[in-house]
Amino acid sequence: VQLVQSGAEVKKPGDSLKISCKASGYSFPRYWIGWVRHMPGTGLDWVVIIYPHDSDTRYSPSFQGRVTISADKSITTAYLQWSSLQASDTAIYYCARSYTGSAWDFWGQGTPVTVSS
Amino acid sequence: DFVMTQSPLSLPVTPGEPASISCRSSQSLLHSDGNNFLDWYLQRPGQSPQLLIYLGSNRASGVPDRFSGSGSGTDFTLKISRVEAEDVGIYYCMQALQTPYTFGQGTKLEI
Repeated sequence: VQLVQSGAEVKKPGDSLKISCKASGYSFPRYWIGWVRHMPGTGLDWVVIIYPHDSDTRYSPSFQGRVTISADKSITTAYLQWSSLQASDTAIYYCARSYTGSAWDFWGQGTPVTVSS
Repeated sequence: DFVMTQSPLSLPVTPGEPASISCRSSQSLLHSDGNNFLDWYLQRPGQSPQLLIYLGSNRASGVPDRFSGSGSGTDFTLKISRVEAEDVGIYYCMQALQTPYTFGQGTKLEI
């Protein structure tokens, strides 16, 4: 099992961005994929999760309307995108997978996102 | 939302000694199926989080047996029987009973 994330990004406020998480080694549609934010010097925050099989999606209220999750089953890849970044989006974003919603057993290496003017 | 509260937030330990971290949920994590939907994760410096314990007391694959989880309902504990240098990092509890999932603030274990 592997989750390989796209590389570091440096953007300006107002820019759009789409980061990716390429999954391999397991049945992609049948596991939840989630995104977790880790801001500098703070703890972990769940952003959103998706079940690729039927695209069932659950956003944390703090992120609803700010980000969009998607999953492409044909290329076993999940995405997290922003239409208008803010400086407060600066963080490392991790993807992870789970069979049930508990026990997130494999994690990507993280994608650092820096938003600065 | 479920609020997860960990203590202590900082835990200095001596190698070979035991360590214990507490996690309290604002609501019960006990599901009708009898499982407690509480996970523990370790984030070592510069690394991604890794799963240690799931459903309150089940060790994840490859996790040393010096790690154990216990508790039910709203109160949970992660214990390390004998701390080793590689255990340094931040430990998080996480409720997985209901979305949005929520993490505790994290406990920094230092040697």
